[in-house]
Amino acid sequence: DVKVTQSSRYLVKRTGEKVFLECVQDMDHENMFWYRQDPGLGLRLIYFSYDVKMKEKGDIPEGYSVSREKKERFSLILESASTNQTSMYLCASSPIVPENSPLHFGNGTRLTVT
Amino acid sequence: GQNIDQPTEMTATEGAIVQINCTYQTSGFNGLFWYQQHAGEAPTFLSYNVLDGLEEKGRFSSFLSRSKGYSYLLLKELQMKDSASYLCACMDSNYQLIWGAGTKLIIKP
Repeated sequence: DVKVTQSSRYLVKRTGEKVFLECVQDMDHENMFWYRQDPGLGLRLIYFSYDVKMKEKGDIPEGYSVSREKKERFSLILESASTNQTSMYLCASSPIVPENSPLHFGNGTRLTVT
Repeated sequence: GQNIDQPTEMTATEGAIVQINCTYQTSGFNGLFWYQQHAGEAPTFLSYNVLDGLEEKGRFSSFLSRSKGYSYLLLKELQMKDSASYLCACMDSNYQLIWGAGTKLIIKP
């Protein structure tokens, strides 16, 4: 079974702090994704990566950056946390082929910025 | 623009049948996914449709009509553990996923 592990289930940070959210997958998947999930909205893609050291902006990249130094690890960075970044953050992975492979999600990190 | 619509919330009775609808407008189409998400947990994959028709998997079935831009998820013999949110997502021509806001299903005894 694919396992996607997010390092923290809950985080509370202060406005202006730099925040790191870590995600590790154990199935050698090429694709990794960061989403945020807010009530009443669909999952919104922040960044994704198809390979090591490769990153692509999603729909809402502003205020975020990512790092993929190793295939299994994809980190989301909030450069200077703001209250509007309070959300549930979901990491996901999938193989690069077939292109219509379903995503495997981590359990999420609920981030509160005060 | 690209858009996915599904009802916000539905209520059904244990043992009954419920149908959750999803309509979509996307730039191209490479299939439609349904995911289940229990409160506080990760979404988990339920089904994938790319051709018209019904796909059955035990108590759950998913239907697709490409000409109508419409899908539904059918849950039979409802159990209390089926209380969850059900997410509809379409894959567009670039293999990017467009997500609906999810339907919260409440099962009553």
